[in-house]
Amino acid sequence: GIQVEQSPPDLILQEGANSTLRCNFSDSVNNLQWFHQNPWGQLINLFYIPSGTKQNGRLSATTVATERYSLLYISSSQTTDSGVYFCAVVNTDKLIFGTGTRLQVFP
Amino acid sequence: DGGITQSPKYLFRKEGQNVTLSCEQNLNHDAMYWYRQDPGQGLRLIYYSQIVNDFQKGDIAEGYSVSREKKESFPLTVTSAQKNPTAFYLCASSYRGHFGGEQFFGPGTRLTVL
Repeated sequence: GIQVEQSPPDLILQEGANSTLRCNFSDSVNNLQWFHQNPWGQLINLFYIPSGTKQNGRLSATTVATERYSLLYISSSQTTDSGVYFCAVVNTDKLIFGTGTRLQVFP
Repeated sequence: DGGITQSPKYLFRKEGQNVTLSCEQNLNHDAMYWYRQDPGQGLRLIYYSQIVNDFQKGDIAEGYSVSREKKESFPLTVTSAQKNPTAFYLCASSYRGHFGGEQFFGPGTRLTVL
């Protein structure tokens, strides 16, 4: 089955710093989503982005489907950005989650 | 407000008991899903339903059962046959089935077996 790998596994930042999270997948995908799981466990939708680039405030995402990767950019990070970031892809018939990137932002 | 609700937020169960987790959505979505998350891990699919009165097993369906009698509701029963049920359970829904649409998640239920 399709493999979804995220890097880095852990990221520690000071407030105000920028970061790039990467998601690599081993086969073609029909759709791709980025989620933020907050410390209470809630999964928050960030982007639905099977291809191209989208921006939402301080966050933006780019998916290059032909090269099988997606990037999530976080600019001017805030402590509320802390949590785990997951990408998830649909290959044939189910949503496959990546391994996650745990982000900690300190004041 | 439109969204997905799950109840209860926390659930404690004795070994050998069945428990039912509730999931309700008012987004008018056709498809609904149940996932399990263990500490430090990603999500794994338990069951999904693309339409009322129909559902399919996911990757880890053993020890679980579901029903889909109404479009808005997709309850999950964790039976005594589930050998390690302590986990975080998340319900999701999407407008389109076959995983083709964007999925939205509820706040989750933390189940602990005592």
